Amino acid sequence: ETGVTQSPTHLIKTRGQQVTLRCSSQSGHNTVSWYQQALGQGPQFIFQYYREEENGRGNFPPRFSGLQFPNYSSELNVNALELDDSALYLCASGDITNEKLFFGSGTQLSVL
Amino acid sequence: LAKTTQPISMDSYEGQEVNITCSHNNIATNDYITWYQQFPSQGPRFIIQGYKTKVTNEVASLFIPADRKSSTLSLPRVSLSDTAVYYCLVPVISGNTGKLIFGQGTTLQVKP
Repeated sequence: ETGVTQSPTHLIKTRGQQVTLRCSSQSGHNTVSWYQQALGQGPQFIFQYYREEENGRGNFPPRFSGLQFPNYSSELNVNALELDDSALYLCASGDITNEKLFFGSGTQLSVL
Repeated sequence: LAKTTQPISMDSYEGQEVNITCSHNNIATNDYITWYQQFPSQGPRFIIQGYKTKVTNEVASLFIPADRKSSTLSLPRVSLSDTAVYYCLVPVISGNTGKLIFGQGTTLQVKP
């Protein structure tokens, strides 16, 4: 067990809708990162939050946004959903000083 | 920017030792090399991390030559449950531990 939990585990939305995915990080970790993983591909870095501020961002449009809260929880928000947003969304927590990330099991998002 | 290259797939048999080599020609002086394992429908799991020479834990060994331009993950006596995707990572931006970029990884298939 990694101590990182994500909710919901599965979600179905329609194109154009908005979605919020949630993550509870391991206690004591100061970073949370979000990744998108399409079937058969490696996880794609969306962004990282450190001390409640965005600390790095991958090649994703602004309709992907996030929040990190002081209580080790975080959110990934996606607006104006597109069919290509269908993927497994992974949350990972860690410490800013090293690359040892602890991943949750992910939220499987289907956009119809 | 540091980038990694590793074989797309490998096959092995139960009980054999498996070595997966990753090249990272542009690794920066202070950066560590980290390996993750991922099973279907799960988040990646940290396996091992190293800076130079050899690192060993209860799961695997990591060999890093003096020039650090490559690394080899060694899995002793694999079993069917070691069938997974293995990722080699270095920070994309030296010193920025937040932006970890996953490639396609190496899909290891262990046969009986």
